[in-house]
Amino acid sequence: AQSVAQPEDQVNVAEGNPLTVKCTYSVSGNPYLFWYVQYPNRGLQFLLKYITGDNLVKGSYGFEAEFNKSQTSFHLKKPSALVSDSALYFCAVRVLSMDSNYQLIWGAGTKLIIKP
Amino acid sequence: KAGVTQTPRYLIKTRGQQVTLSCSPISGHRSVSWYQQTPGQGLQFLFEYFSETQRNKGNFPGRFSGRQFSNSRSEMNVSTLELGDSALYLCASSLEVLAGAYNEQFFGPGTRLTVL
Repeated sequence: AQSVAQPEDQVNVAEGNPLTVKCTYSVSGNPYLFWYVQYPNRGLQFLLKYITGDNLVKGSYGFEAEFNKSQTSFHLKKPSALVSDSALYFCAVRVLSMDSNYQLIWGAGTKLIIKP
Repeated sequence: KAGVTQTPRYLIKTRGQQVTLSCSPISGHRSVSWYQQTPGQGLQFLFEYFSETQRNKGNFPGRFSGRQFSNSRSEMNVSTLELGDSALYLCASSLEVLAGAYNEQFFGPGTRLTVL
């Protein structure tokens, strides 16, 4: 079955330290992968996407993600965390549904807490 | 450009009632998708509309329906509300001319529906 997993419900990082939010996927064909962030009481905001090309994708707010085909992973990273990065992060992957339409399926989300 | 707007922001209904939620996409965006977000199930795709036609549909019962108007504004309706329908309903618009789910989506702040 096609799926996306975020194995950590919560990640705690000290401000200034590097952060990683993990995402693994299982899809048929080439994966289209996305990261979104949700701040409290707000809708989701697009961070970055991987369609093809360089495995390292750079996005908004200093975030980047590394596509690893052999490990079927697309981990989100940032070299130096800010307290304002504290939010809920979602990984999503495009899949071909049973009725031959493309749609996104979403990970359960990872709560990122950056401590001063 | 104005972002995606959703009305109302909060709703309280009782079991058995029906509800209509509204979404105005970003100007120029013709694709509108709806999602249900709950703590337990995460983000679940409801349906997508493009040029007044439902182009894609998730695995929700027929009580959930939607439509799109000629100005791309969209509404979703839930009939015979159940307690389990309590959730944050998110609307997202995109420049998705082809049904490929490869462009980023722009989300509204959501409508928080509580069913008592």
